[in-house]
Amino acid sequence: AQSVTQLDSHVSVSEGTPVLLRCNYSSSYSPSLFWYVQHPNKGLQLLLKYTSAATLVKGINGFEAEFKKSETSFHLTKPSAHMSDAAEYFCVVTRTLRNNDMRFGAGTRLTVKP
Amino acid sequence: GAVVSQHPSWVICKSGTSVKIECRSLDFQATTMFWYRQFPKQSLMLMATSNEGSKATYEQGVEKDKFLINHASLTLSTLTVTSAHPEDSSFYICSARTTYFGLRNYNEQFFGPGTRLTVL
Repeated sequence: AQSVTQLDSHVSVSEGTPVLLRCNYSSSYSPSLFWYVQHPNKGLQLLLKYTSAATLVKGINGFEAEFKKSETSFHLTKPSAHMSDAAEYFCVVTRTLRNNDMRFGAGTRLTVKP
Repeated sequence: GAVVSQHPSWVICKSGTSVKIECRSLDFQATTMFWYRQFPKQSLMLMATSNEGSKATYEQGVEKDKFLINHASLTLSTLTVTSAHPEDSSFYICSARTTYFGLRNYNEQFFGPGTRLTVL
């Protein structure tokens, strides 16, 4: 079975400083990994996904994540936080190409201080 | 991009009544839709997978007689919470998967905005 662990339930950064949201995964298979963002009262939006291609994945809004098999990690980073980045972030793993068994992490709430 | 809507966005009902939530893919056809449940400050938990024209597949521990899922067309799936009780109060989120929406989005799930259910 596959699962993800988001190591921080809450991360607070100042505007303009780097963002690091940590995610470790467990999977018996070669996984596909995703990061989603959820703003209040809005649907989940896909930030980026890793599907066994390049290990450094670039997403929308300046976010990127690096798949490290040796560390079973898929941390999300952004060089400079913006106020609009404040939201809930979910790391997700799936083991099938059909993406019908997505397992969500517990989520990390990102707060951005002015 | 692909848009998924849910209706209603929130609903309050009395204990014992049934509530229907609709999930629509607005600009694409979705052969598969998923229903998730999210408790406050918790993650999303997959409840069931719904394939157009066939019975839904429920995750372990989800009562199929309580959470009725119908996927009658390629753009609409409904979740009916029957005989709702306060413990069913939650945020219900659907997603729809494209079979083809450009190679970049192949098999990607697009999520609706969610429906907040409160059972009194």
